[in-house]
Amino acid sequence: GESVGLHLPTLSVQEGDNSIINCAYSNSASDYFIWYKQESGKGPQFIIDIRSNMDKRQGQRVTVLLNKTVKHLSLQIAATQPGDSAVYFCAERLPRGQNFVFGPGTRLSVLP
Amino acid sequence: DAGVIQSPRHEVTEMGQEVTLRCKPISGHNSLFWYRQTMMRGLELLIYFNNNVPIDDSGMPEDRFSAKMPNASFSTLKIQPSEPRDSAVYFCASSLKGNYGYTFGSGTRLTVV
Repeated sequence: GESVGLHLPTLSVQEGDNSIINCAYSNSASDYFIWYKQESGKGPQFIIDIRSNMDKRQGQRVTVLLNKTVKHLSLQIAATQPGDSAVYFCAERLPRGQNFVFGPGTRLSVLP
Repeated sequence: DAGVIQSPRHEVTEMGQEVTLRCKPISGHNSLFWYRQTMMRGLELLIYFNNNVPIDDSGMPEDRFSAKMPNASFSTLKIQPSEPRDSAVYFCASSLKGNYGYTFGSGTRLTVV
């Protein structure tokens, strides 16, 4: 059930540390963004979203930051746990559309 | 709810054969999406439906690919004839139009030899 390749950017963090995963999106008019988590053999799973009229949104242990000036999105995970190991994708909703364009993904590896 | 259900989970077929992938969206969701995931290209949208009607199929690679949604609870993605370069994981996702997040199925891993 592999779903991602071997050439993704990888972020390795120690268990308990905070993680920051970055994403550059493509369209300055995109109005809605989502972070997804994909574990091996599974489909992407919704983590947190943010609309373009916001610059920060917090969830449980996760925070998303949006910088529209430089078209940059980040996902912060507090107190990273082994269960956070996965590939993380950002997705942007294109203007006047319903579909999302996904970024290439970042593999998060949590070290014991 | 059992979530988005895809079948089969794995499919191995010979080049030239017809392949049909199936998807049952979440009950009540009125939008359905087919994505393909490969190492080289990541997640690519192939086609999506609103209320069983295809809205955007610009991502369908070529005429060998076709998708149908005969009713609100079932969709198929067919490849005929299949080629080795079609090998990928194919995901189906559904959403409630206006409620913007997708729910993905577990995918079908297709290998064409």
